[in-house]
Amino acid sequence: DAGVTQSPTHLIKTRGQQVTLRCSPKSGHDTVSWYQQALGQGPQFIFQYYEEEERQRGNFPDRFSGHQFPNYSSELNVNALLLGDSALYLCASSVVSRVYEQYFGPGTRLTVT
Amino acid sequence: AQTVTQSQPEMSVQEAETVTLSCTYDTSENNYYLFWYKQPPSRQMILVIRQEAYKQQNATENRFSVNFQKAAKSFSLKISDSQLGDTAMYFCAFMIQGAQKLVFGQGTRLTINP
Repeated sequence: DAGVTQSPTHLIKTRGQQVTLRCSPKSGHDTVSWYQQALGQGPQFIFQYYEEEERQRGNFPDRFSGHQFPNYSSELNVNALLLGDSALYLCASSVVSRVYEQYFGPGTRLTVT
Repeated sequence: AQTVTQSQPEMSVQEAETVTLSCTYDTSENNYYLFWYKQPPSRQMILVIRQEAYKQQNATENRFSVNFQKAAKSFSLKISDSQLGDTAMYFCAFMIQGAQKLVFGQGTRLTINP
């Protein structure tokens, strides 16, 4: 049973560019949440997707957008990258009826130069 | 606003010792979940233990146990017979029942020395 997978593992981008990060949920899960973890900090909630719609959003600008596909996988897009967007981006999946049981992927390390 | 505070940025103990990590939180809600997550150098966030706020009995998972004090809004993690593999960042987190997001603390870096 595959757990949560994320791609790519590492990514280096330049300021002003756009980036897309991908997440495949654990088998049987239908809900995907995204978190940003800056170096030395705890993760911060970006948003959550269920039934291909954004259910809740954290305090992040509109440059951060997402998408969920019919197979429950998800993408996180960040436009007009800033140096401050450098972080570990974590994806977590769950079943909508038990959203408190979130399983995390290994993360994507984004570096903006 | 909901917040989580971990007052110990770093801790270090010898293998086989017992260690307690502290966590306090602030919420006006009555129904919520509390968690301790472990993040080793591999970066993957792993759930250590979960506590439902409506349960008075403290949760235990093998060598890991919590001391949940609801009135004091305190949720500490005790690791007994610590092992080298316990070396990691530990994050305290909570989620309001019915909400979707986890709110995390700043983390405690725990090192187990041989």
